[in-house]
Amino acid sequence: NAGVTQTPKFQVLKTGQSMTLQCAQDMNHNSMYWYRQDPGMGLRLIYYSASEGTTDKGEVPNGYNVSRLNKREFSLRLESAAPSQTSVYFCASSYRYKAFFGQGTRLTVV
Amino acid sequence: ELKVEQNPLFLSMQEGKNYTIYCNYSTTSDRLYWYRQDPGKSLESLFVLLSNGAVKQEGRLMASLDTKARLSTLHITAAVHDLSATYFCAVEEDDMRFGAGTRLTVKP
Repeated sequence: NAGVTQTPKFQVLKTGQSMTLQCAQDMNHNSMYWYRQDPGMGLRLIYYSASEGTTDKGEVPNGYNVSRLNKREFSLRLESAAPSQTSVYFCASSYRYKAFFGQGTRLTVV
Repeated sequence: ELKVEQNPLFLSMQEGKNYTIYCNYSTTSDRLYWYRQDPGKSLESLFVLLSNGAVKQEGRLMASLDTKARLSTLHITAAVHDLSATYFCAVEEDDMRFGAGTRLTVKP
């Protein structure tokens, strides 16, 4: 049982480059989330998707876009990476009051 | 807007001591979660609290929820080194918002 799988685990980007972080869950959950974690800031919600075909902004959506491709997959795209987007990114899915997290993607923008 | 505040942010304890971490939030939600995170790792679910007065216990950790006070507590009893980690509370309404985390260090 894979749970929530994120790829890649590590990434270094140059300022202005674009990339997509992938997230897939095999638990048939409706709700999926993208968070970023910065030191001393906890996890801040970037976007979430309550069901296939719907997405909503969280606390810090600027500079990001998301796609809920199907029930399993929820991707996060950085169109033009900035150093301020250096962070650890977590994807999560939830069902019936329990959330499951991926292992995280450590992104550095130089 | 839903806000979640945890305190303290840093906690250094001696083994065998008791302490409480507090989580205040700004809405009437009755869905409160506690997670543990070890350095460099993902988050592990500890407790799910779904009603006023809910209390859950696992080993040396006990979590409670007071929805009227908009407060949840995570109580640590007779701390041991293995409890060293960062603990997060999270509140769910339409989405899930996290506190800043409490970095707990338990020293011998």
